[in-house]
Amino acid sequence: DAGITQSPRHKVTETGTPVTLRCHQTENHRYMYWYRQDPGHGLRLIHYSYGVKDTDKGEVSDGYSVSRSKTEDFLLTLESATSSQTSVYFCAIRGTSGGNEQFFGPGTRLTVL
Amino acid sequence: AQRVTQPEKLLSVFKGAPVELKCNYSYSGSPELFWYVQYSRQRLQLLLRHISRESIKGFTADLNKGETSFHLKKPFAQEEDSAMYYCALSGSTDSWGKLQFGAGTQVVVTP
Repeated sequence: DAGITQSPRHKVTETGTPVTLRCHQTENHRYMYWYRQDPGHGLRLIHYSYGVKDTDKGEVSDGYSVSRSKTEDFLLTLESATSSQTSVYFCAIRGTSGGNEQFFGPGTRLTVL
Repeated sequence: AQRVTQPEKLLSVFKGAPVELKCNYSYSGSPELFWYVQYSRQRLQLLLRHISRESIKGFTADLNKGETSFHLKKPFAQEEDSAMYYCALSGSTDSWGKLQFGAGTQVVVTP
């Protein structure tokens, strides 16, 4: 599992509340990614990071922010959750073989009521 | 712009029958292509990379640059192959290693 954990694993929240999801990795990987998974869309990239304080936007970044103050933690924040952000969120790290393969965390199932 | 298309949302096959999952892509340069598998409510697992040309769990996939395809095949489907399968592409010049995923194909293998 490449030492990747996500917390919480499940969360139910209400529209308008802030939510922070955490991705933690134990193998000092530089590249980290956040995706959301929705039926009919596959996985779509939200934000990614090369290292501490080095992040950039992905395909569906509106309504999301990220922070990376330590190599091992990549946080995804929904400043004011909306029902359209109900999804399963996956964190990933880039492998170290020299290619672009990624390895995924177990996911966080978020429901916004 | 790069794009990955998986035309089948659902593929239902009988145990022991061959299975082929289609993946077509558009990318102007040399792509790096992957197949991922996701068993029910679990994390995505890397199944195959085109550059390693290996066979995992009996699955193979060949990159056809002329047809811009990377179809996944298995000669004899097993019940444990029931899962969601995603094709993904990364641009060879993308130093960030971002992946573009297809919408996925749900495979159901019935006995």
